[in-house]
Amino acid sequence: SQTIHQWPATLVQPVGSPLSLECTVEGTSNPNLYWYRQAAGRGLQLLFYSVGIGQISSEVPQNLSASRPQDRQFILSSKKLLLSDSGFYLCAWSSRRDSPADTQYFGPGTRLTVL
Amino acid sequence: QKEVEQDPGPLSVPEGAIVSLNCTYSNSAFQYFMWYRQYSRKGPELLMYTYSSGNKEDGRFTAQVDKSSKYISLFIRDSQPSDSATYLCAMSRGNTPLVFGKGTRLSVIA
Repeated sequence: SQTIHQWPATLVQPVGSPLSLECTVEGTSNPNLYWYRQAAGRGLQLLFYSVGIGQISSEVPQNLSASRPQDRQFILSSKKLLLSDSGFYLCAWSSRRDSPADTQYFGPGTRLTVL
Repeated sequence: QKEVEQDPGPLSVPEGAIVSLNCTYSNSAFQYFMWYRQYSRKGPELLMYTYSSGNKEDGRFTAQVDKSSKYISLFIRDSQPSDSATYLCAMSRGNTPLVFGKGTRLSVIA
């Protein structure tokens, strides 16, 4: 069965510090991968998605970036965090080979607080 | 007009009540419809999936799609305190990323 991991689970960072969040998927190959942010009391905001290694689509211009160095690894980064970057970051995967509906499966999330 | 509209609630009901959660959408090309449940501080989990119009039942949950009205619903029968969560609708045209509603927060009071 497929499993998705995210770490760290919780992170407190000062303004201006760098960020690296990691997501890995097990039990599937060539997944579509997604990064979302969910601010307190708000909906899911799609940040990036990737259909393959090195292929990244950015949905929202900001100081965040994403990379996919391996088939089942997706990394979210920032060089300098802003207060507005605080939120709940979720990684998700889907398999369009198996589902044209793009049914997505989510990881446990990383709660980021920027102080 | 947003592609997907969902009342954020909160919705508070007594245990045992029938709950109706709804979303409206504007893009007639959507043909795949999903409901996710998200407990506090957890990632969303897929609850129901429906293709095109019609009903789908799974235990106490029923998903309903009315494409002519661009309206989808999730019904929860005999609601339990463990159903207290945020429910997000999501939809897709197919081979494109899902579009999510903002979620409705539900509280079932014992």
